[in-house]
Amino acid sequence: KAGVTQTPRYLIKTRGQQVTLSCSPISGHRSVSWYQQTPGQGLQFLFEYFSETQRNKGNFPGRFSGRQFSNSRSEMNVSTLELGDSALYLCASSLVGGAVSEQYFGPGTRLTVT
Amino acid sequence: QQPVQSPQAVILREGEDAVINCSSSKALYSVHWYRQKHGEAPVFLMILLKGGEQKGHEKISASFNEKKQQSSLYLTASQLSYSGTYFCGTEPWGGSQGNLIFGKGTKLSVKP
Repeated sequence: KAGVTQTPRYLIKTRGQQVTLSCSPISGHRSVSWYQQTPGQGLQFLFEYFSETQRNKGNFPGRFSGRQFSNSRSEMNVSTLELGDSALYLCASSLVGGAVSEQYFGPGTRLTVT
Repeated sequence: QQPVQSPQAVILREGEDAVINCSSSKALYSVHWYRQKHGEAPVFLMILLKGGEQKGHEKISASFNEKKQQSSLYLTASQLSYSGTYFCGTEPWGGSQGNLIFGKGTKLSVKP
């Protein structure tokens, strides 16, 4: 079974620009969660999608948004990039999400904002 | 609200044992454990639910003390492959579905 894939793997953007990251979950998984990982804050939850609906959202500004398509693929968008948005963005897929569902992480997208 | 992991870092020799703790200020519904090697994605180890524990790997086990609101990960007879950063992810009671709150991680280094 193919794992979680994320594209692109690396991205360099300038302050003020916007960026779209993509995540393809494991086949059959309907839940996709997004996390931001930085050395200072660790892994922080952004949002979770299940069957094209945002089911949960973390404590991030509205510049961070996402969506999920009918094939469970998900995208996240960050508008008006700030230097502090530089991070590794990880997506994780699971069968149904929630507290009892193990998550499988993708390799991440390394975003650098200059 | 972020769980506190201890120790922050530990160095072991092959064959030694280690315990990593994860404490929360909130009552927990579940605790997830992941390991992340440098430059790689976190890998699922196990989930512990209120009222039970689930063993995910042969020499890696965990406990969940609901009253103390903490979980401990036990690594026995450590191998070089155990090196990495271990994260606990917690879901508090009454928390939002799927919103795991991760600790800052414990860096484990196993030396030959």
